[in-house]
Amino acid sequence: AQSVTQPDIHITVSEGASLELRCNYSYGATPYLFWYVQSPGQGLQLLLKYFSGDTLVQGIKGFEAEFKRSQSSFNLRKPSVHWSDAAEYFCAGTGGGAQKLVFGQGTRLTINP
Amino acid sequence: DVKVTQSSRYLVKRTGEKVFLECVQDMDHENMFWYRQDPGLGLRLIYFSYDVKMKEKGDIPEGYSVSREKKERFSLILESASTNQTSMYLCASIAGGGGVYEQYFGPGTRLTVT
Repeated sequence: AQSVTQPDIHITVSEGASLELRCNYSYGATPYLFWYVQSPGQGLQLLLKYFSGDTLVQGIKGFEAEFKRSQSSFNLRKPSVHWSDAAEYFCAGTGGGAQKLVFGQGTRLTINP
Repeated sequence: DVKVTQSSRYLVKRTGEKVFLECVQDMDHENMFWYRQDPGLGLRLIYFSYDVKMKEKGDIPEGYSVSREKKERFSLILESASTNQTSMYLCASIAGGGGVYEQYFGPGTRLTVT
């Protein structure tokens, strides 16, 4: 079955430190992959997406993600976090078709001052 | 900009009540979705619709129904609300056709059933 897994439920980093959020997928073919962010009390906002081509994808707010087929991973990175990055982050994937997304469990990011 | 709106940000209902959650999108999208979000479980698909009057069950349809009479509006119905339906409900829409696009989400409705 198609699945997306985020191994880390909660991560705490200091402001200015680098960040990596993990995402693993299980799909028969190359999936379409997304990272969304949800600020407290808000809906989901798309950070970036991977459909094909260059495996390093740039997104909004200084985020990037790298698709690694050999590791079935699509990890999200940011070189230096800001207090405003505190939020919940969701990785999601689809095999296409009806475009139904399968979401990971989410990773809650806390920023220490 | 795509806009997806949901009728209420917060709702408090009593057990056994019939509850309507409404979602409207303004980009003429064919596909619309209702998700439920619970801590540690991510988002789970309840129902989706790929055209007016068309619907398909998602992963957790039990206790829910939907209605799509107009392209821009997708309603989620809790026929008889129960306390285990206390949750955050998110609506999303996406263009149809052969491409793959991102889903656009509404702000969510936090429903409490007492």
